[in-house]
Amino acid sequence: QVQLKETGPGLVQPTQTLSITCTVSGFSLTSYYMQWVRQTPGKGLEWMGFIRSGGSTEYNSEFKSRLSISRDTSKNQVFLKMNSLKTEDTGVYYCARVSVPGYMDAWGQGASVTVSS
Amino acid sequence: DIQMTQSPSSLPASLGERVTISCRASQGISNNLNWYQQKPDGTIKPLIYYTSNLQSGVPSRFSGSGSGTDYSLTISSLEPEDFAMYYCQQDASFPLTFGSGTKLEIK
Repeated sequence: QVQLKETGPGLVQPTQTLSITCTVSGFSLTSYYMQWVRQTPGKGLEWMGFIRSGGSTEYNSEFKSRLSISRDTSKNQVFLKMNSLKTEDTGVYYCARVSVPGYMDAWGQGASVTVSS
Repeated sequence: DIQMTQSPSSLPASLGERVTISCRASQGISNNLNWYQQKPDGTIKPLIYYTSNLQSGVPSRFSGSGSGTDYSLTISSLEPEDFAMYYCQQDASFPLTFGSGTKLEIK
């Protein structure tokens, strides 16, 4: 059974760094791309970037300068790190598995993040 | 970036009714169009990929069609669990982009 679960801090202060972990089960990270998508009140659903099955990454230029996606295949985990947070980064962050290129066939339940002092 | 425009933004409908949600891309996307359903608790469920291919387990009352810049999602006979938000998403080019959503609500 394919499962994805995000865990994050909940509350982050402005200018600080956000770290979210996506733990997966039921499939191998070396066989699938994994994407991060966020949903904010201001912009709705936004694709942030992905990590390929081979480990290389691709980012939305909107976030490129402050976003990093990595993984630990031995722990079945994918990581999102984004620095210089602003209040507009408040939202829900989802990890998702990619099957057909660009299509996300399994999603986590999302990690809610509030950026506030 | 390719802009995705969904219509309507809100769609009141009744149980058993047939409904269609539209999605227009700012340029041709060669059928690289996917649909997702989001429930109020935030859960996102994939429905259709590459315009018309049904995700495994999705009921056959859901269907997708379209070409070029214009695409649609049709639900042939609404069930109670279908009242939710629906989003289209293009994967023809990066960055991947989503529509702003259609809220399907009970009339």
